[in-house]
Amino acid sequence: AQTVTQSQPEMSVQEAETVTLSCTYDTSESNYYLFWYKQPPSRQMILVIRQEAYKQQNATENRFSVNFQKAAKSFSLKISDSQLGDTAMYFCAFMGPSGSRLTFGEGTQLTVNP
Amino acid sequence: ETGVTQTPRHLVMGMTNKKSLKCEQHLGHNAMYWYKQSAKKPLELMFVYNFKEQTENNSVPSRFSPECPNSSHLFLHLHTLQPEDSALYLCASSQDGGGGGGVTGNEQFFGPGTRLTVL
Repeated sequence: AQTVTQSQPEMSVQEAETVTLSCTYDTSESNYYLFWYKQPPSRQMILVIRQEAYKQQNATENRFSVNFQKAAKSFSLKISDSQLGDTAMYFCAFMGPSGSRLTFGEGTQLTVNP
Repeated sequence: ETGVTQTPRHLVMGMTNKKSLKCEQHLGHNAMYWYKQSAKKPLELMFVYNFKEQTENNSVPSRFSPECPNSSHLFLHLHTLQPEDSALYLCASSQDGGGGGGVTGNEQFFGPGTRLTVL
């Protein structure tokens, strides 16, 4: 069974600075998908970024980028130019090749301070 | 309405009550999901429906009973719940997912959740 681990329960960053959230996973699959979701206080879970394991290039979405290290089974999220609206719980999630079941990590609570 | 909607947003019920949670997706997706989010625990997948057929039941107690009358609507019927069932229940949908052999790896879109408190 796949497992996803986020070792940082809480993090904080100053506005306009850069922060990196860590995620590691365990799988025997060679092809899979990885996601970062954001859950602000409104509780609405929103997709931040998606990575396909067969793609070597790291995914980027505006201020959000990932560092995908397949051999190390690591999938960290970098947020540049942090904004107050980035304050949220961030979840790393894994999806295998044969279905759409998502396995989530425990989450990292990120607080952006003014 | 757009995206995925859930009603009610908050629900308080006694252990002997029967209630239902409703989810509706306006995205034309064909797979729908129920998740349970408890404090300090990862999201737990409960049920998966693909083209109205249940494709996954993640060992959920029978006091939770899902119903998917069509690809746009998903219900979670609750009866004789326990206080430990108090949690945020999230609904999600996606396109061609659910283990039905279609395109995989697609994003799941989530609703705002129902905060359930069992007294």
